[in-house]
Amino acid sequence: GAGVSQTPSNKVTEKGKYVELRCDPISGHTALYWYRQSLGQGPEFLIYFQGTGAADDSGLPNDRFFAVRPEGSVSTLKIQRTERGDSAVYLCASSSRANTGELFFGEGSRLTVL
Amino acid sequence: AQTVTQSQPEMSVQEAETVTLSCTYDTSESDYYLFWYKQPPSRQMILVIRQEAYKQQNATENRFSVNFQKAAKSFSLKISDSQLGDAAMYFCAYAVDSNYQLIWGAGTKLIIKP
Repeated sequence: GAGVSQTPSNKVTEKGKYVELRCDPISGHTALYWYRQSLGQGPEFLIYFQGTGAADDSGLPNDRFFAVRPEGSVSTLKIQRTERGDSAVYLCASSSRANTGELFFGEGSRLTVL
Repeated sequence: AQTVTQSQPEMSVQEAETVTLSCTYDTSESDYYLFWYKQPPSRQMILVIRQEAYKQQNATENRFSVNFQKAAKSFSLKISDSQLGDAAMYFCAYAVDSNYQLIWGAGTKLIIKP
């Protein structure tokens, strides 16, 4: 596709459930980022992939959060045993090293944990 | 630790007028990048303008320009000839190295009065 695609757009789940959020980056972009944006705040870094490997996962809040990018393209953010505090918009962005740092964002996945 | 501060939670401006959004940051690095992103209700972050810290000349993009004061660690955004489509949340962001892990301010909501 032409831009970064994120699915689902909205997800409502119950406390304790497992959720997966998907990101399909711009074709050819080797760098992929996940950010979390709580209501009324700026985004918060979660994890950065360069190719298939997680180059920096220092922003993942705890071991309930995990992300993969097995083929260096699509990425999935996985959240186990969801808590109400996990409610936020999860933003994905991709970047090509060649374009000196401009991140291209998707429209985010809004997660609501009841 | 690097931080980004946006002291104006909300700003309003009359259509066709000029408005300036403030941003300050804290870092001990000498080489870094600064960005302004726009987030409309669609949630998709869109890059407005970027500035490399080693460049003394202020970046400009059509109606958007910055006032970069490196010693003061200030990076304000000026929007000239404001248009209704400029209404959005504006986020200031900082990145220190080539992985472009962005550190974000809390955002300023810009309201355009017709």
